[in-house]
Amino acid sequence: GAVVSQHPSWVICKSGTSVKIECRSLDFQATTMFWYRQFPKQSLMLMATSNEGSKATYEQGVEKDKFLINHASLTLSTLTVTSAHPEDSSFYICSAPQARVPYEQYFGPGTRLTVT
Amino acid sequence: GENVEQHPSTLSVQEGDSAVIKCTYSDSASNYFPWYKQELGKGPQLIIDIRSNVGEKKDQRIAVTLNKTAKHFSLHITETQPEDSAVYFCAASPGNQFYFGTGTSLTVIP
Repeated sequence: GAVVSQHPSWVICKSGTSVKIECRSLDFQATTMFWYRQFPKQSLMLMATSNEGSKATYEQGVEKDKFLINHASLTLSTLTVTSAHPEDSSFYICSAPQARVPYEQYFGPGTRLTVT
Repeated sequence: GENVEQHPSTLSVQEGDSAVIKCTYSDSASNYFPWYKQELGKGPQLIIDIRSNVGEKKDQRIAVTLNKTAKHFSLHITETQPEDSAVYFCAASPGNQFYFGTGTSLTVIP
């Protein structure tokens, strides 16, 4: 299957700083990528849809100014958590669908963010 | 929007037994139903999927069934092994957006 990578796999940062997470589709182009957040023992919560060349679409309740998304190319989307706080600590996962029906979706390995 | 429910939330089986996880969905427009396996600290991995024009699909020890009329689909794992222990998520997709179930933590007891 298709491969999606994320970097870094884990990061620890201090409260008030910003952290950037990269999501790359390694062997296919993705005009759309999805960003999810997952709390321990819970399901994936869709945060936003990243669109190449245009603004991201955020789900209700997700602060767009706090979670900045940039989809600069057909293989790279970034999520920047700005002014991070301990409550932002979570497992962040990206995914990229293949650009054909039925849009099989492939997930990255996830990034564990810990804000101290 | 779509609403996906998944049961049970936890499941323990003896090695060699079968495991069944069930999901229901609400949007009749959903036409693609993947299942993902997530191991601790890793991203979900697609293990099997089924499209709305098919009632059943099998891949070795894993099978998925779909009942469009009742809007439910199930994952069947036969001859379970300890390495099958993980969290399993179902999903339903009416297009290129996916709606996930709440997950089932499967433990296979050696």
